[in-house]
Parts: sequence; C-alpha cells; structure tokens
Amino acid sequence: AQKVTQAQTEISVVEKEDVTLDCVYETRDTTYYLFWYKQPPSGELVFLIRRNSFDEQNEISGRYSWNFQKSTSSFNFTITASQVVDSAVYFCALSETNTGNQFYFGTGTSLTVIP
Amino acid sequence: DADVTQTPRNRITKTGKRIMLECSQTKGHDRMYWYRQDPGLGLRLIYYSFDVKDINKGEISDGYSVSRQAQAKFSLSLESAIPNQTALYFCATSDPGTANEKLFFGSGTQLSVL
Repeated sequence: AQKVTQAQTEISVVEKEDVTLDCVYETRDTTYYLFWYKQPPSGELVFLIRRNSFDEQNEISGRYSWNFQKSTSSFNFTITASQVVDSAVYFCALSETNTGNQFYFGTGTSLTVIP
Repeated sequence: DADVTQTPRNRITKTGKRIMLECSQTKGHDRMYWYRQDPGLGLRLIYYSFDVKDINKGEISDGYSVSRQAQAKFSLSLESAIPNQTALYFCATSDPGTANEKLFFGSGTQLSVL
C-alpha cells in the first residue's frame, strides 16, 4: 500500500493565484516525520520543510504554508500568490522511526504557474 | 563544492552493458541511499546502507547491486542494463537522530539505456 499519496498529478494555475498541494500519509508509528521537497525543471531536489508528528502547528514561510492535521493524516502545502518560479514537481515524504527512518515518497504533483 | 556528488551526470549505454554510478559525500553521514525517479512514479528506493557494513534492499532492487566502499562512498551497479532502467537516479544521505534529520540529495544521474 502506498504510504504517501499525492492525488493531484498535475495542477495549472495562473500567476498570483493561491494553490494547495495535497498529501495524505499512512503510518502506524507514533513518531514520524513529514517532508516536502521541490524539484524545479533543473532536476535537483530541494528540501522545503520537515515536521515531526508531535508538532501540529501550522507553519508559514513567506508565501509558503503547511497545514498538518493528524486527524486526517494530511500534510498539505499552500503557495500564496503563486509565481512562475514556483513551477516544479513537489514531493511529499514520510519517515517512520519503526522502519529505521526509511523515507517514503509520494508520486509528486507537477505544478505549472502560467504567467 | 557539493556535499553529495554523483558521477556521471548523464550516461547513455547499450542494453547488456555493465555500468556503475558513483556517489560520494562530504557530510560525514552514515546513511546513504539510492533512489530511482520515473515520471509519474515518484522516487523509489533501490538500496540503502546505514553504515559501511550494512546493505539493505529497497523497494526495487532487482537488476541492481551496490557497494559501500567507505563511509563516504556508495556505488550503484547495473550488471546488465536493460531499457526499462532508463531513469533519473539520485543518491542521498541522512544523519538520523539529529534535530533536523532529512535527506540530502545529489544532483542526479540521468541514465539512458538503448
């Protein structure tokens, strides 16, 4: 079974629109970590955020914000006032302590921001 | 200089050839990983190593082998390459137990098997 599900395969928005990327995870572990990575067209993987399972506070970093809800096993990522430079593939990932901190990735959401 | 270095960046090879992708790191991390990325499938774990004497199969290890020559070096081999191994390959490291543990990725190796 897929441990991390990113149901949105591709999203297109017009510049300055807000967009939310969904991530749903599955784990029986009580201690785990969630991540978002960005892969721009150049191909490298850029770390965006790490959140542990005991910290459900939402986080905001500039135009980026993350909503972590354990009740729905979701860790959604919102970009406010999107820009062309936000065009990339975004990956959500899970790391569980009971599997030796292996990392499990979703299939990614490809975001295109149209100028 | 990059903390996690993969060589080569691009490789084109023919079916049946043996090839090796190399990864070296200067981060001093014990844990190293090889992932494969295919469009629509995300990143899938091929092999991982938690220290020099530890090698573990990941989700898709068939057709691949690895060697952990030193803490800093982790190589991925395709003994007899086939076209469906055409993909983008990433090496990564991590340092568990730290307050900010995450995967640190190399720049990737684009492999094409003709």
